[in-house]
Amino acid sequence: DGGITQSPKYLFRKEGQNVTLSCEQNLNHDAMYWYRQDPGQGLRLIYYSQIVNDFQKGDIAEGYSVSREKKESFPLTVTSAQKNPTAFYLCASSIKGGSYNEQFFGPGTRLTVL
Amino acid sequence: SQQGEEDPQALSIQEGENATMNCSYKTSINNLQWYRQNSGRGLVHLILIRSNEREKHSGRLRVTLDTSKKSSSLLITASRAADTASYFCATDGKISNFGNEKLTFGTGTRLTIIP
Repeated sequence: DGGITQSPKYLFRKEGQNVTLSCEQNLNHDAMYWYRQDPGQGLRLIYYSQIVNDFQKGDIAEGYSVSREKKESFPLTVTSAQKNPTAFYLCASSIKGGSYNEQFFGPGTRLTVL
Repeated sequence: SQQGEEDPQALSIQEGENATMNCSYKTSINNLQWYRQNSGRGLVHLILIRSNEREKHSGRLRVTLDTSKKSSSLLITASRAADTASYFCATDGKISNFGNEKLTFGTGTRLTIIP
């Protein structure tokens, strides 16, 4: 089955720890995105990548880092510098970058900081 | 800042009725997209309407776009229990005729269909 997967589904982190969220797609899409969703709010863009080995900051990149070493993978690291990391994180991909393309979303990772 | 804002924030209707949600945005756009999110899940793309289109249909969905009012509406006809979800509009905030690199999502409308 083609699709986009995220792991783990639930993640618990102690304050001061870095944690990495996985995102993998087998859709052969060039572009990938990371969003954060808080209760009652829409999605906010953290980072996006339109091609391998290149990525750009979104609207709320502070305290996060990403890499795009392979076309299929776009991991997100939530660092200890992120002051309020508890949220629902969504990864998405599209065939190409740009707003004319629909985005395909993974099932999400719910991160809780203890 | 949020480009799109949905209205109402929450909507409850009886199964079989029609549901209408609205989206307003602030700056010019190349296109507007609607997505659905079931509770605790990822988003699913429903429909994309370009700025030169006024209306688009897909099954029981009808989307309209009024660029002069900077607003869009999503109509779901003959609603079903399975339509219970949150619905988001996403806009690109026109930078060039080639589109923007990213989408900005609104805060969503929470739709509940009562069986």
